[in-house]
Amino acid sequence: AQRVTQPEKLLSVFKGAPVELKCNYSYSGSPELFWYVQYSRQRLQLLLRHISRESIKGFTADLNKGETSFHLKKPFAQEEDSAMYYCALSRGDTDKLIFGTGTRLQVFP
Amino acid sequence: NAGVMQNPRHLVRRRGQEARLRCSPMKGHSHVYWYRQLPEEGLKFMVYLQKENIIDESGMPKERFSAEFPKEGPSILRIQQVVRGDSAAYFCASSPESGGSSGNTIYFGEGSWLTVV
Repeated sequence: AQRVTQPEKLLSVFKGAPVELKCNYSYSGSPELFWYVQYSRQRLQLLLRHISRESIKGFTADLNKGETSFHLKKPFAQEEDSAMYYCALSRGDTDKLIFGTGTRLQVFP
Repeated sequence: NAGVMQNPRHLVRRRGQEARLRCSPMKGHSHVYWYRQLPEEGLKFMVYLQKENIIDESGMPKERFSAEFPKEGPSILRIQQVVRGDSAAYFCASSPESGGSSGNTIYFGEGSWLTVV
C-alpha cells in the first residue's frame, strides 16, 4: 500500500536559516510526488511537483528513488514561509493524492 | 476561472443532525475528491467521484457518510446523525479529465469547517 511519512510534526527555525522538511514514501511503482502548503485556515496550494523540477518561492525538492524520499528544502527561510507543509503521492493521472500528516514550519524573526 | 468553491465555510450542527457540504469544482473539471482534516492531523482521503459515479470510496466511513456528484449541480458530502468526532475540516478538490493539459494537478477548495456541539 502507498504511504507517505513526514516524521516531524513541527520544525522551528530562525529567519535566514536553512530549512529541510523531510518526506519519505512507500510505493512499489513509479509515483508522482508533490508538496502542498497550507497557510492558516486557507486552502491547500500546490507548491511543487517532482516532474516539473522547478523552484517555487525558493523551495526545491528532489526525488531520491533509492532512499524513497522527496525532502523539501530552502536555503534561507523567511517569516512568510510559516505554514503547514504536506507531502503527497499519486499513482498516476488524476488518481487520488495520499498525504503525509504534515509538518508545521515556524519561522521566527 | 473561479477556483473550487465550497459552502458553507462554517457549519455548526447538534449531535444527531445532518450535515450537507457542497463543492463546485473548477470549470472544466469532472473529477472531485473529498478529504477530511481532523485537528492536529493530516488530510485523509475519503472519496473520489466523477460525474454520477463513485470511483473510489475506500476512505469513507461505512455508516452515516455518503457522497454524490450529480450530472447537474455540485458534489455533496452528506453526514447523517453527526457525532462530536465528525468535527473537522472537509476539503474538496477537483482535477480535469484524464489526459488534461494540466496533468495530475489537483486544486483544492477553502474547506468547510464542521463543528458538532
